[in-house]
Amino acid sequence: TQLLEQSPQFLSIQEGENLTVYCNSSSVFSSLQWYRQEPGEGPVLLVTVVTGGEVKKLKRLTFQFGDARKDSSLHITAAQPGDTGLYLCAGAFGSGNTGKLIFGQGTTLQVKP
Amino acid sequence: SQTIHQWPATLVQPVGSPLSLECTVEGTSNPNLYWYRQAAGRGLQLLFYSVGIGQISSEVPQNLSASRPQDRQFILSSKKLLLSDSGFYLCAWSGTGLNTEAFFGQGTRLTVV
Repeated sequence: TQLLEQSPQFLSIQEGENLTVYCNSSSVFSSLQWYRQEPGEGPVLLVTVVTGGEVKKLKRLTFQFGDARKDSSLHITAAQPGDTGLYLCAGAFGSGNTGKLIFGQGTTLQVKP
Repeated sequence: SQTIHQWPATLVQPVGSPLSLECTVEGTSNPNLYWYRQAAGRGLQLLFYSVGIGQISSEVPQNLSASRPQDRQFILSSKKLLLSDSGFYLCAWSGTGLNTEAFFGQGTRLTVV
């Protein structure tokens, strides 16, 4: 059974601080995605990483895929109150279209003004 | 453009009653389809996924079942609801490539009383 361990589960910081969220698994991902979810809504995709060692940037967000494609991180620079939300990593497993997309437990981020 | 519809948005059902949640996708063909359940502020637990009509994979043993009677229709059912079935249920679709994102419905808040 594939599992995604996401840490920390909760994070409360002041505006302007930096933070990193981690996503780890003992299994190899074919791709890994990061989503952000607002209360009462479905998650929305932020980024997809595919290649081991890949780094992608989205404004103040930096996403990194581990060399072995078993782990990933999300780093936010100078967090803003608008970054508050639930951040989820998700991994696709297997070659070909297995259809299986597993999510981590989520990180609830609160950025205080 | 592709859209996903999930209904109802909220549902209050007595213990022992049946359940039927429906999800339909428009604007794409042969999507992968998913049912997830989410505890408050936590990650998504994969319940069922499907890569084609009549093809259902179950991730966890439970009181629920899923069916895909048409290419773009995914139904979550139960014959007799339990209190523990309460939660936020999300339907999603993705393409069949390894790197395609998942698109989510608005979710159904189910309360079993």
